Amino acid sequence: DIVMTQSPDSLAVSLGERATINCKSSQSVLYSSNNKNYLAWYQQKPGQPPKLLIYWASTRESGVPDRFSGSGSGTDFTLTISSLQAEDVAVYYCQQYYSTAFTFGPGTKVDIK
Amino acid sequence: EVQLVESGGGLVQPGGSLRLSCAASGFTFSSYSMNWVRQAPGKGLEWVSYISSSSSTIYYADSVKGRFTISRDNAKNSLYLQMNSLRDEDTAVYYCARGEDLGTTVLPFFDIWGQGTMVTVSS
Repeated sequence: DIVMTQSPDSLAVSLGERATINCKSSQSVLYSSNNKNYLAWYQQKPGQPPKLLIYWASTRESGVPDRFSGSGSGTDFTLTISSLQAEDVAVYYCQQYYSTAFTFGPGTKVDIK
Repeated sequence: EVQLVESGGGLVQPGGSLRLSCAASGFTFSSYSMNWVRQAPGKGLEWVSYISSSSSTIYYADSVKGRFTISRDNAKNSLYLQMNSLRDEDTAVYYCARGEDLGTTVLPFFDIWGQGTMVTVSS
């Protein structure tokens, strides 16, 4: 199975500052036939289900604020929150959907400093 | 409104069985693959099972293979998870999640999630 790792485990960022979360897969999730990375990012606030933010590594889901962006290819990916807002306090998960194990990363908790 | 509503959770003894349901509304259920994902208390997300739109393709996580059975009834817009031989480590909130592949016919990401139903396995 593809193993997903994330760093850091948690981070605290001042309001309006940038937050960066890294995700690494144990093997490439780039699908050669369509040149798409099968990597998604989800946000989960306390007591709520996960919410899709980003798919294909960099495509923002409809309705997601443009301060959220995804980048990377192959095995290394990044989720960036360009200007942290209070409502962004949550745990963020990356997930690969390249293989049928659909593995998630362990999550990164984002708080306000 | 696109919605998924899970039900059927509860307290069950180790070795027991439980059947979860997920009712879909606001979209053409028969056109989408579906999944079950679980989250143990205070832990991360773990994918459990996948079923294609026509039920022709099914996958399971190794941790539940042989014990859990996923199924769907497109006429009733419903997804199910039959859980047998339950263990303490199956204690979790179980979410159903819609799969979206945007027509690529490869594996999907999960774009719509239900609120979840809690399953507690304890004696």
